Amino acid sequence: EVQLVQSGAEVKKPGESLRISCKGSGYSFSTYWITWVRQMPGKGLEWMGWIDPSDSYSNYSPSFQGHVTISADRSISTVYLQWSSLKASDTAMYYCARSKGFYSGNDYWGQGTLVTVSS
Amino acid sequence: DIHMTQSPSSLSASVGDRVTITCRASQSINSYLNWYQQKPGKAPKLLIYDASSLQSGVPSRFSGSGSGTDFTLTISSLQPEDFATYYCQQSYGVPLSFGGGTKVEIK
Repeated sequence: EVQLVQSGAEVKKPGESLRISCKGSGYSFSTYWITWVRQMPGKGLEWMGWIDPSDSYSNYSPSFQGHVTISADRSISTVYLQWSSLKASDTAMYYCARSKGFYSGNDYWGQGTLVTVSS
Repeated sequence: DIHMTQSPSSLSASVGDRVTITCRASQSINSYLNWYQQKPGKAPKLLIYDASSLQSGVPSRFSGSGSGTDFTLTISSLQPEDFATYYCQQSYGVPLSFGGGTKVEIK
């Protein structure tokens, strides 16, 4: 069974760093790209960026470039999303999802990680 | 960047109704258009990919059409479990982008 399992909810203060994870199982991890999607409270879906775990090639939306980093560890089938300095506006649900390649839809999604940033 | 516009932003319908949601891209995206369903507190679910291909396990009452800039998601006979928010997404160019969503509510 294909699964993407995300790390648990986080509560952080502005300025703190954070790394959340997404672990794939039940498929060949390196053959699917992993995307991160943000959903702010009560709002729609926003594409943040993606990574090809086979070579760690990544691409970001300009809206998120420079504020987050996406990385992968193939040895443990895990992709990460990290911030070096959180803002209150980073409060959101974050989803990881897989796709077969550039033009493909996201066929499996993680359960989401809720990040709350508050002083 | 490619901007996706969905309409309507919300609609009220009854069980058994035929429902149509439209999505327009700011430039041609060929057929690289996906549709997702999201229920409250849940992750999105892929319904349609490549504009008209039904994802495995999705009921046949869901269908998609269109190419270029104009696309449609149709639910032929709305069921109780279909009340949700629907999003289109273009996967033609980076950054990929979603429409603003259409909330389908019970009339």
